[in-house]
Amino acid sequence: GIQVEQSPPDLILQEGANSTLRCNFSDSVNNLQWFHQNPWGQLINLFYIPSGTKQNGRLSATTVATERYSLLYISSSQTTDSGVYFCAVGEISSTLGRLYFGRGTQLTVWP
Amino acid sequence: DAGVTQSPTHLIKTRGQHVTLRCSPISGHKSVSWYQQVLGQGPQFIFQYYEKEERGRGNFPDRFSARQFPNYSSELNVNALLLGDSALYLCASSLEGHRGQEQYFGPGTRLTVT
Repeated sequence: GIQVEQSPPDLILQEGANSTLRCNFSDSVNNLQWFHQNPWGQLINLFYIPSGTKQNGRLSATTVATERYSLLYISSSQTTDSGVYFCAVGEISSTLGRLYFGRGTQLTVWP
Repeated sequence: DAGVTQSPTHLIKTRGQHVTLRCSPISGHKSVSWYQQVLGQGPQFIFQYYEKEERGRGNFPDRFSARQFPNYSSELNVNALLLGDSALYLCASSLEGHRGQEQYFGPGTRLTVT
């Protein structure tokens, strides 16, 4: 199956700072999603972005499919942004909707 | 509209017992997938179901089984529980489960095996 690597594994910021999270993947994809996992475990959809750039408020994401990476930008961080951010991809060679997840980036934002 | 729902929220079982977890997809979605997330890792794919048929299975033993009902809800069953089965079990729904379709996750069931 496809390999997904996220970096950095941990990120500690002060409120108001900006950050960039990276996701590298080992093969061509037809699906790429960014999630925020809240303290109760639920995965919240942030972006569905197999290619291109999207923005939603203080968050934006870019996927360069030909170079097999995606970036998640968080601007003006708030304490409520804390949690684990996951990148998940679907491999283009499969007919399934199966997602492969990275190990996540643990973000902590201090007031 | 309601999102993906799962029950129960938490569950404590003893080694060797059996457990059944339930999931209802978003209205209009016909595909359900199950994932297992152990502490400190990303979710791992267990099964995908579409129109009541299993469309794919991850690297999990036969103790894990699932089914999908005519209303597209799903059950995940785990027999002969082991301590290592302790995890968060997540259900995801998508329109038809085809490759490339966006998936939406439920709140999860946290299973503890003692």
